[in-house]
Amino acid sequence: DIVLTQSPDSLAVSLGERATINCKSSQSVLYSSNNKNYLAWYQQKPGQPPKLLIHWASTRESGVPDRFSGSGSGTDFTLTISSLQAEDVAVYYCQQYYGNPPLTFGGGTKVEIK
Amino acid sequence: EVQLLESGGGLIQPGGSLRLSCAASGFTFSSYAMSWVRQAPGKGLEWVSAISGSGGSTYYADSVQGRFTISRDNSKNTLYLQMNSLRAEDTAVFYCAKDLQTERPGRFDYWGQGTLVTVSS
Repeated sequence: DIVLTQSPDSLAVSLGERATINCKSSQSVLYSSNNKNYLAWYQQKPGQPPKLLIHWASTRESGVPDRFSGSGSGTDFTLTISSLQAEDVAVYYCQQYYGNPPLTFGGGTKVEIK
Repeated sequence: EVQLLESGGGLIQPGGSLRLSCAASGFTFSSYAMSWVRQAPGKGLEWVSAISGSGGSTYYADSVQGRFTISRDNSKNTLYLQMNSLRAEDTAVFYCAKDLQTERPGRFDYWGQGTLVTVSS
């Protein structure tokens, strides 16, 4: 199974500052035939279900603010919040959907306001 | 508007059985794979099971293989999860999630609010 390791476990960022979350995969999730990375990012606020932010590693879902961006390829990925807003306080998860199941999630990164 | 409404959770004794349902609306149900994803209290997300849009293909996490059965009734726009031989470690909020793909599970653009399953004596 593909293991996703997120870092850090938590981070505190001042309002308006940049937040960076990393996700490392135990094996490449880049499919060579279509050059797509099978990696998604979700945001989960307290008491709510997760919300899809980004898929294909860098494609923002419709309606997601452009301060959220995804980057990386192969085994190393990053979710960046360019200017943290109060409503961005949440736990963020990466998820891979490469090849056959099982699908797997990273352990999550909690983002708080400093 | 896409809506997913789970039901069927509750308190069940170890070794017992429970069937979860997820009523879907607002999209062509049979065109999308569906999954169950769970979250133990205070923990992260764990994918549990998925089913293709037609219902012809099913997928399971090793942790539930042989105990849980996923199914769907496309005429009723409803997803199910039959859970047998429940264990304490199955205690979690179970989410129903709509996939962006039709056949194999991928990533999820809509989630229900979840239903809590508590396995305890």
